[in-house]
Amino acid sequence: KAGVTQTPRYLIKTRGQQVTLSCSPISGHRSVSWYQQTPGQGLQFLFEYFSETQRNKGNFPGRFSGRQFSNSRSEMNVSTLELGDSALYLCASSLMLAGGPVGELFFGEGSRLTVL
Amino acid sequence: QQQVKQSPQSLIVQKGGISIINCAYENTAFDYFPWYQQFPGKGPALLIAIRPDVSEKKEGRFTISFNKSAKQFSLHIMDSQPGDSATYFCAASRRSGGSNYKLTFGKGTLLTVNP
Repeated sequence: KAGVTQTPRYLIKTRGQQVTLSCSPISGHRSVSWYQQTPGQGLQFLFEYFSETQRNKGNFPGRFSGRQFSNSRSEMNVSTLELGDSALYLCASSLMLAGGPVGELFFGEGSRLTVL
Repeated sequence: QQQVKQSPQSLIVQKGGISIINCAYENTAFDYFPWYQQFPGKGPALLIAIRPDVSEKKEGRFTISFNKSAKQFSLHIMDSQPGDSATYFCAASRRSGGSNYKLTFGKGTLLTVNP
């Protein structure tokens, strides 16, 4: 079974640009979460999607947005990039049973964003 | 407000020794406490997890000890091996009774096991 796939793995942008990151969850997983990892702040929750609906959102500015498609694939977008947005962006998928709690989170290897 | 505090930041252990990493949480609504292991260039991978209705869970060389009254939990790695060298994260979440599915992570512990 293929794991969580994130693309691109590495990218460099300049301040003011925008970026879109993609995540393909494990087959059958309908819940997709995004986390930002930085040396200073560690792993911080961005948002979680299930069945194309955002169910939970972390404490990030509106420049950070996401969406989920009908095939459970997800994208996140960061607009008007700032130097502080440089980070590893991790996607995680989970098998969500109807009415049940979220299962184990399986993380991808991340997309490393550098903002110059 | 940091809801999950992890210590130490870094830890050096000799091969065969015991590695101990501690975490403390504030939110009493948390009911799921996983530990993740992350190697350089990889995403975090679930190592072991515990619910607050048990005080200890063991899987191979890895043990979680949980103290609900103190709101603390710890990871013990017995017979530590150089291959265990990685960054370890504790986390907490509320898995039941609502839509709050996010994990709140500690800041991580860089473990180095010397041969």
